[in-house]
Amino acid sequence: TQLLEQSPQFLSIQEGENLTVYCNSSSVFSSLQWYRQEPGEGPVLLVTVVTGGEVKKLKRLTFQFGDARKDSSLHITAAQPGDTGLYLCAGGSQGNLIFGKGTKLSVKP
Amino acid sequence: GAGVSQSPRYKVAKRGQDVALRCDPISGHVSLFWYQQALGQGPEFLTYFQNEAQLDKSGLPSDRFFAERPEGSVSTLKIQRTQQEDSAVYLCASSIHYGKQETQYFGPGTRLLVL
Repeated sequence: TQLLEQSPQFLSIQEGENLTVYCNSSSVFSSLQWYRQEPGEGPVLLVTVVTGGEVKKLKRLTFQFGDARKDSSLHITAAQPGDTGLYLCAGGSQGNLIFGKGTKLSVKP
Repeated sequence: GAGVSQSPRYKVAKRGQDVALRCDPISGHVSLFWYQQALGQGPEFLTYFQNEAQLDKSGLPSDRFFAERPEGSVSTLKIQRTQQEDSAVYLCASSIHYGKQETQYFGPGTRLLVL
């Protein structure tokens, strides 16, 4: 069974701080995706990483896929209140997605 | 509509009642997925359709759960004789095709509360 573990589970920071959240597995994934989910809404895709060691940047967000394709990280620089939400990583060897439990981020002004 | 829509957005059911949850995917999307998201958890896969064919129902938790997509567009997830443990948000997602790198677009979910 493929499992994705995310850490930390909760993170509360002040506006302007940097943060990193992690997504780890004992299994190899052909790709990993990061989603952001706001209360009352469905997850929205942020990025897909495919190649081991790949780094992708999306404005203040930096995503990295581990060399062995078993782990990934999301780094946010100078967090803003608008970054508040549930960050989910998801992977799958087929089309169905396996999600982690998420990191609930709160950025206070 | 431009995105995936789901109805109702909220549903309160008494234990033992049957419920039906509707998903309208993005027009033209071949693949449709149902996920269950319990409070404080990530979504868990329930079932998958390619057009009208249900190709994977391995995630359905019991035979009380049934899904259909008869014309390859709108899908309905039915839960019979609801139990309290069925309380969760039910998410529907669609994608143009089926594949490990295909983007899945999620609807807002139906929040089901079983009393």
